[in-house]
Amino acid sequence: DQQVKQNSPSLSVQEGRISILNCDYTNSMFDYFLWYKKYPAEGPTFLISISSIKDKNEDGRFTVFLNKSAKHLSLHIVPSQPGDSAVYFCAASSHITGANSKLTFGKGITLSVRP
Amino acid sequence: DAGVIQSPRHEVTEMGQEVTLRCKPISGHNSLFWYRQTMMRGLELLIYFNNNVPIDDSGMPEDRFSAKMPNASFSTLKIQPSEPRDSAVYFCASSLEYRGGGNIQYFGAGTRLSVL
Repeated sequence: DQQVKQNSPSLSVQEGRISILNCDYTNSMFDYFLWYKKYPAEGPTFLISISSIKDKNEDGRFTVFLNKSAKHLSLHIVPSQPGDSAVYFCAASSHITGANSKLTFGKGITLSVRP
Repeated sequence: DAGVIQSPRHEVTEMGQEVTLRCKPISGHNSLFWYRQTMMRGLELLIYFNNNVPIDDSGMPEDRFSAKMPNASFSTLKIQPSEPRDSAVYFCASSLEYRGGGNIQYFGAGTRLSVL
């Protein structure tokens, strides 16, 4: 049972345009969400996060939106740059269950930014 | 800080051999995680430790896998005997867990394991 779903395996965007990466979750206990970026032959690196008490969090070119009623979050990258080409993982955790360290990851989306 | 350090970066072994993967977490972090990444299943949590104690090992695939954390600065993941289906990239991550806090995990570069 996949609790965090990234249904689109890949996305290709022109440099300078907006990239929108989507993520859905099924577990209503999740209350903290993170995005990680991964380059080939490297480990995932933390990008941005959002708590369920917010619906938006922004950090430079990166903005994460959370829609709790739809159990959906998205990562917006504006403007997209070739260096953003990587695999992006959505992850979620729950403080309610007490296992707040445990992250559940989606399978990732491969973003390609064309020059 | 040097970040999470994993060794070796690459391991090639033959079926039936014992494999030991090593991890040094970020100093001061109190939680450590072992993940496996495959094309089919993505990033799977195998086991995680808090204050050197295993908290959840429900992701460990079978008895051939074992993990230890003898102290706050070192952990091992052992596969004995190894099988070709164990071929994957294994990641170690660490975090500082505190009550009510966000749990950002920091990953090592991974160990690419190939079992022939």
